[in-house]
Amino acid sequence: QSILTQPPSVSAAPGQTVTVSCSGSYSNVAYSSAAWYQQFSGAAPRLLIDHNDKRPSDIPDRFSASRSGTTATLTITGLQTGDEADYYCGAWDNVINAGVFGGGTRLTVL
Amino acid sequence: QITLKESGPTVLEPTKTLTLTCTFSGFSFTTSGVGVGWVRQSPGEALEWLALTDSFNFQHFNPSLKSRLTITRDSSWNQVLLTLTNVGPDDTGIYYCAYKAPATLLFDSWGQGMLVAVSS
Repeated sequence: QSILTQPPSVSAAPGQTVTVSCSGSYSNVAYSSAAWYQQFSGAAPRLLIDHNDKRPSDIPDRFSASRSGTTATLTITGLQTGDEADYYCGAWDNVINAGVFGGGTRLTVL
Repeated sequence: QITLKESGPTVLEPTKTLTLTCTFSGFSFTTSGVGVGWVRQSPGEALEWLALTDSFNFQHFNPSLKSRLTITRDSSWNQVLLTLTNVGPDDTGIYYCAYKAPATLLFDSWGQGMLVAVSS
């Protein structure tokens, strides 16, 4: 049972926009915001967006993040078939003084 | 360029102690706020944050595993070691070593991961 809650799956057609939610609490998402990771099957996770909403230079601006209270959201615009992957949110929890992850969301591009 | 690579046993018997080594390059613990940590992923499951050590020599642990985990750093060899005692089948999974940049709270770069199986 993950501390951060994500929907198990989302889907959309190529070219459309999809959002992935990450629900936490005042000690994690509200405290530190969330970082987002992309994981292709059989590969290591890679950072998409850090908790400061900054993207590594090789991540396109189709990927963006936001936060409202205890919920963080990843938005992917202009969906491509190559975006099919698992997406994880992560945050720092200042009560347990450790990192926490969500359960992951599988994105299917129809 | 930051690189990290995990090494250690690929198979381990139940009740034994797992010791994994992360060998890294491209950064140093002399940089304030840098950290190296571990994340694991059981087959078909989500990421699980395990531990972190940083430039201030603070250690942080997943509370559910804290009694079994140790994380140490060997700055002279650019390595971080993770030990997990009394392993069982639930500890089977891919173990990732990862780098935390000074201005961030989670991990920015990841190693390729290594599969550890606990089996008799």
